[in-house]
Amino acid sequence: GAGVSQSPSNKVTEKGKDVELRCDPISGHTALYWYRQSLGQGLEFLIYFQGNSAPDKSGLPSDRFSAERTGGSVSTLTIQRTQQEDSAVYLCASSLSGVNEQFFGPGTRLTVL
Amino acid sequence: KQEVTQIPAALSVPEGENLVLNCSFTDSAIYNLQWFRQDPGKGLTSLLLIQSSQREQTSGRLNASLDKSSGRSTLYIAASQPGDSATYLCGGGTGANNLFFGTGTRLTVIP
Repeated sequence: GAGVSQSPSNKVTEKGKDVELRCDPISGHTALYWYRQSLGQGLEFLIYFQGNSAPDKSGLPSDRFSAERTGGSVSTLTIQRTQQEDSAVYLCASSLSGVNEQFFGPGTRLTVL
Repeated sequence: KQEVTQIPAALSVPEGENLVLNCSFTDSAIYNLQWFRQDPGKGLTSLLLIQSSQREQTSGRLNASLDKSSGRSTLYIAASQPGDSATYLCGGGTGANNLFFGTGTRLTVIP
């Protein structure tokens, strides 16, 4: 079956612009996660959605970052007024529920000039 | 905050060797643990998941174990092949939410 998909695969933007990154989880997976992978660093948790519960936003690095998940499926991560330090690969994962195996998408490589 | 250390950072072995990758957590209260491989420019591919009631998992030439008392996990790869060359990441969860990751071990298997 289809895995987790993300779009775009690459995004180049200018400092100060807003960007939207999209994640389509595996059908039927109730849990969805966003992570960020910066060069030479481990994956950093950003936000977690579980069903209709309030999301866990504890990993968002600043108020310029936000995410939503519509209809319990597709999620969008929005970064406002992008900064050069936001350059990274943004990875989305989904799982059947919060404690099950996580499956990752291919990521979106964001470059802020 | 949970800190994850993976040792070694890089490893190069000749084809056919058995090898062990290590992962340790500062907080040993690990609920579940997942090993992944990441090929250059790609996302993470799940290899093995050790759930809360388990101590190890096996899949083909791979075996992963978790010692919850010490917060350490190992990934054993038997009879390594050039196709095993990748970065291996461990991710540990302390509850029903995100995983905490190490920076990975970059493995090169030389034909």
